Amino acid sequence: GQSLEQPSEVTAVEGAIVQINCTYQTSGFYGLSWYQQHDGGAPTFLSYNALDGLEETGRFSSFLSRSDSYGYLLLQELQMKDSASYFCVSGGSYIPTFGRGTSLIVHP
Amino acid sequence: GAGVSQSPSNKVTEKGKDVELRCDPISGHTALYWYRQRLGQGLEFLIYFQGNSAPDKSGLPSDRFSAERTGESVSTLTIQRTQQEDSAVYLCASSFTGGGTGELFFGEGSRLTVL
Repeated sequence: GQSLEQPSEVTAVEGAIVQINCTYQTSGFYGLSWYQQHDGGAPTFLSYNALDGLEETGRFSSFLSRSDSYGYLLLQELQMKDSASYFCVSGGSYIPTFGRGTSLIVHP
Repeated sequence: GAGVSQSPSNKVTEKGKDVELRCDPISGHTALYWYRQRLGQGLEFLIYFQGNSAPDKSGLPSDRFSAERTGESVSTLTIQRTQQEDSAVYLCASSFTGGGTGELFFGEGSRLTVL
């Protein structure tokens, strides 16, 4: 089976940096993805880590450590529009398995 | 269209009725997934299609749920004898490749309310 743990909620102020952690227990793990979902919207892809290390895409970065079964999403220069839910997703087997999601609240 | 299309966007039904939810994936995407999302919760896997076959139906919650895909394109999720616990947003996603590593492209979902 597969399970992913991430905090239920994180709050931060505009302009700050926030890190959302994800630990996983999966069989046949291939990599870790991150998705963003605004209220009432569809999840959208942010990043994917197949190998250990840091992947950077603009203000967002994602990190993976396979030996620690751990990853994180780093959001820099936070903006109000970043308020959303963020899901870590394991690509084990052929079924992407979603964590329960972290609600990020950005305050002015 | 260029994205994943789902219909209806909203469906209100009475307990005991059957409902059909439709998903039109991105053209050329061989993998198609159905997920269920209850309010404030994560995405619960329901079923996966590779082409027209469904190698994994393990997420379907009961035999009231069924799904099919035809022409390696449109998929229909059918819920028979709906119950109030079926109320949720049903999300469809497609991917160019299966294997759980390809980027998923989601539709806007079908919000089902069972009274």
